[in-house]
Amino acid sequence: QKEVEQNSGPLSVPEGAIASLNCTYSDRGSQSFFWYRQYSGKSPELIMSIYSNGDKEDGRFTAQLNKASQYVSLLIRDSQPSDSATYLCAVNTKGGNNRKLIWGLGTSLAVNP
Amino acid sequence: DTAVSQTPKYLVTQMGNDKSIKCEQNLGHDTMYWYKQDSKKFLKIMFSYNNKELIINETVPNRFSPKSPDKAHLNLHINSLELGDSAVYFCASSPGLAGRTSSTDTQYFGPGTRLTVL
Repeated sequence: QKEVEQNSGPLSVPEGAIASLNCTYSDRGSQSFFWYRQYSGKSPELIMSIYSNGDKEDGRFTAQLNKASQYVSLLIRDSQPSDSATYLCAVNTKGGNNRKLIWGLGTSLAVNP
Repeated sequence: DTAVSQTPKYLVTQMGNDKSIKCEQNLGHDTMYWYKQDSKKFLKIMFSYNNKELIINETVPNRFSPKSPDKAHLNLHINSLELGDSAVYFCASSPGLAGRTSSTDTQYFGPGTRLTVL
């Protein structure tokens, strides 16, 4: 069973701090990795995608991928109360036309003013 | 606005009824999906269509029947609704199937349909 695991949290950080969200996956052949943000009662919204080992930065967000360790993380710098949400990690499985995203259960982040 | 849209946003119905949810995307994407998110917030894929062709059909009761009249539309019909069907159903689309370019499998979600079965 291909899986994606995240710490459910809640992760609580003070405003202005760095929030670190982690995700591990089981399928070594996975090639695409995504972080989505979901506010309560809303739909998942793409934050970052990453496909190669290393870091990818976009504004206050940095995604880090280590395929050897099967690990992907999301760092949020200068956390704001508006960042309080559930962050979902999604990993694309390998293989043919039935590739699909496998989703983690999400990490709940609370940024305290 | 370019987007993935779903109707209705809320659906409250009695057990045993039949209902449909509609989804449309005007992003020009080839691939569309239906997801179910239960009360524990787990997002589980149900179906995926690529250019009107069914490519993913997860272990879903056959009371659920997707239909894609064209690549911009993917509807979900549910027969004989049960209490356990209560959930939020999300439609999503992506430019194409994964593997062709690095961005083809990025998925964009509709606002969701909250289904409550009484």
